[in-house]
Amino acid sequence: AQSVTQLDSHVSVSEGTPVLLRCNYSSSYSPSLFWYVQHPNKGLQLLLKYTSAATLVKGINGFEAEFKKSETSFHLTKPSAHMSDAAEYFCVVSDMAAGNKLTFGGGTRVLVKP
Amino acid sequence: GAGVSQTPSNKVTEKGKYVELRCDPISGHTALYWYRQSLGQGPEFLIYFQGTGAADDSGLPNDRFFAVRPEGSVSTLKIQRTERGDSAVYLCASSPGTPGADTQYFGPGTRLTVL
Repeated sequence: AQSVTQLDSHVSVSEGTPVLLRCNYSSSYSPSLFWYVQHPNKGLQLLLKYTSAATLVKGINGFEAEFKKSETSFHLTKPSAHMSDAAEYFCVVSDMAAGNKLTFGGGTRVLVKP
Repeated sequence: GAGVSQTPSNKVTEKGKYVELRCDPISGHTALYWYRQSLGQGPEFLIYFQGTGAADDSGLPNDRFFAVRPEGSVSTLKIQRTERGDSAVYLCASSPGTPGADTQYFGPGTRLTVL
């Protein structure tokens, strides 16, 4: 069975400072990993996706994530936070053996202070 | 192009009633998924369709929940004898369903409130 742990339920940053959202996963084979963002009262939007082509993945809005197999981690970063980054972020693993159904982490809520 | 749409956006019902939630996937997507997101939690898998058939319904919590996709496009999630614990946002997602194309695109969800 697969699982995802997001190590921080809430993260607070000042505008213009770096953002780090931590994610560890458990999977019995090489996984597909995703980060999705959910703004208040909006649908889930894909930020980026890892599928083994490159360990450093660049996504939309300046976000990137690094896959580290030895640490079973897939942390999300952004060099400079913007007010519009305030949202909930989900780290997600795809189960390729079961029709690619997704297993979500518990989410990290990001607050950006002016 | 058009994304995944879900109707209604909000549904308020009374305990014991029957509800239907509809999902229109992206045109041409053969894979369709339903998830449920309770307050303050990440979405949880309910059921997955490949074409018309339910390939995996292991996430359905009990036999009050049922979903169909009769023509391989629109899907309906049906909940009988609703309970207050069924209150949640129900999310639908679709993907192309071909190998290597596993990104799921989500609809805005249906917020179900059972009084």
